[in-house]
Amino acid sequence: DAGVIQSPRHEVTEMGQEVTLRCKPISGHNSLFWYRQTMMRGLELLIYFNNNVPIDDSGMPEDRFSAKMPNASFSTLKIQPSEPRDSAVYFCASSLKTGGKDTQYFGPGTRLTVL
Amino acid sequence: GENVEQHPSTLSVQEGDSAVIKCTYSDSASNYFPWYKQELGKRPQLIIDIRSNVGEKKDQRIAVTLNKTAKHFSLHITETQPEDSAVYFCAASAMDTGRRALTFGSGTRLQVQP
Repeated sequence: DAGVIQSPRHEVTEMGQEVTLRCKPISGHNSLFWYRQTMMRGLELLIYFNNNVPIDDSGMPEDRFSAKMPNASFSTLKIQPSEPRDSAVYFCASSLKTGGKDTQYFGPGTRLTVL
Repeated sequence: GENVEQHPSTLSVQEGDSAVIKCTYSDSASNYFPWYKQELGKRPQLIIDIRSNVGEKKDQRIAVTLNKTAKHFSLHITETQPEDSAVYFCAASAMDTGRRALTFGSGTRLQVQP
């Protein structure tokens, strides 16, 4: 199994530019989570989807952030316009809640640097 | 919402000693408590988890205990090895109520001295 796939692995952009991060969950998983990791705030949820439907977007910082899941095998997180404070590692995770287990498997992350 | 506190923030032990990391949570609805290990520049990886209907779980050198009444849970690593050096995160979720997103603690940097 390929695991959760994220692209790009690294992104360097200038303030004001649009950034799109991509995620392919593990095949068969029906839940997808976007987390952000920074030194100051640690690991925090941005949004999660269940069966392609957004369930909890309370962690999305502001209108500059948007996320979509058009089908079960693909999700995007978009930042427009980007700002230096968006610099972080963005992780995508997927899970399948079954039999009392709900393990979230993380992708390798996208390290975003906004100059 | 849920708040998870984790202590200590750093922990240094000698190889072969035990290490204990403690977490507390605030939401009594939380019922799933995973622990993740994150090596430098890598993704968080699950090492052990426990549900609220279980008080303790062991997997070789790793064990987790849960006290629902006090709302705290702990990770125990015995016979530590240099490869155990990493940042460890506790987390909590209420998987049976729909709050499946994980709330993470702030992390513990464990260093095992050879």
